[in-house]
Amino acid sequence: DIQMTQSPSSLSASVGDRVTITCRASQSITTYLNWYQQKPGKAPKLLIYATSSLESGVPSRFSGSGSGTYFTLTISSLQPEDFATYYCQQTYSLRTFGQGTKVEIK
Amino acid sequence: QLQLQESGPGLVKPSETLSLTCTVSGASISSSDYYWGWIRQPPGKGLEWIGSIYYSGSTYYNPSLKSRVTISVDTSKSQFSLKLSSVTAADTAVYYCARGKRENLDAFDIWGQGTMVTVSS
Repeated sequence: DIQMTQSPSSLSASVGDRVTITCRASQSITTYLNWYQQKPGKAPKLLIYATSSLESGVPSRFSGSGSGTYFTLTISSLQPEDFATYYCQQTYSLRTFGQGTKVEIK
Repeated sequence: QLQLQESGPGLVKPSETLSLTCTVSGASISSSDYYWGWIRQPPGKGLEWIGSIYYSGSTYYNPSLKSRVTISVDTSKSQFSLKLSSVTAADTAVYYCARGKRENLDAFDIWGQGTMVTVSS
């Protein structure tokens, strides 16, 4: 089974900050890595698929990079609506989610 | 516009079988461009993939749940279903159905709103 490990588990940031979340896979998943945003009481929303492709309608301040076992999600300038929990997911072999990273207001 | 809607009992007794259905509207459930999945989220915890089914009927399950899970599809009703047997309190969660898009390296691009299932006597 492929394990996904996100860091940090939570972070505090201010509006306008640049935020980076990392996701590591227990083995190579090439570029089969997706990122989701989830707000309380809501279903997850796809932000980025295939490591770096922005889902339609997602603001360009979100970006993703990486390959193999190391991936990052970057929010270039944090906005009030970005405070949420973010999950990475691999789709290389079966499916696995990371444990999540909660982005809170500083 | 594609929509997914979960339905089923909100309360299930321990040792019984949890059964949920996801109704797909606004698109064909039979398209080879997509597949369908179930994901759950225990209260206050993260997301766990349960399993997926393809238009061909092929299924793939989370190894940790495989012995208790069955996912099936009814194309005539545009529905796919989840059965989880021998449930315990640990199966209490919000259950989501979602569409996976092959073109997007299988990311889940459309999700249902989720349905809360509590396992309790």
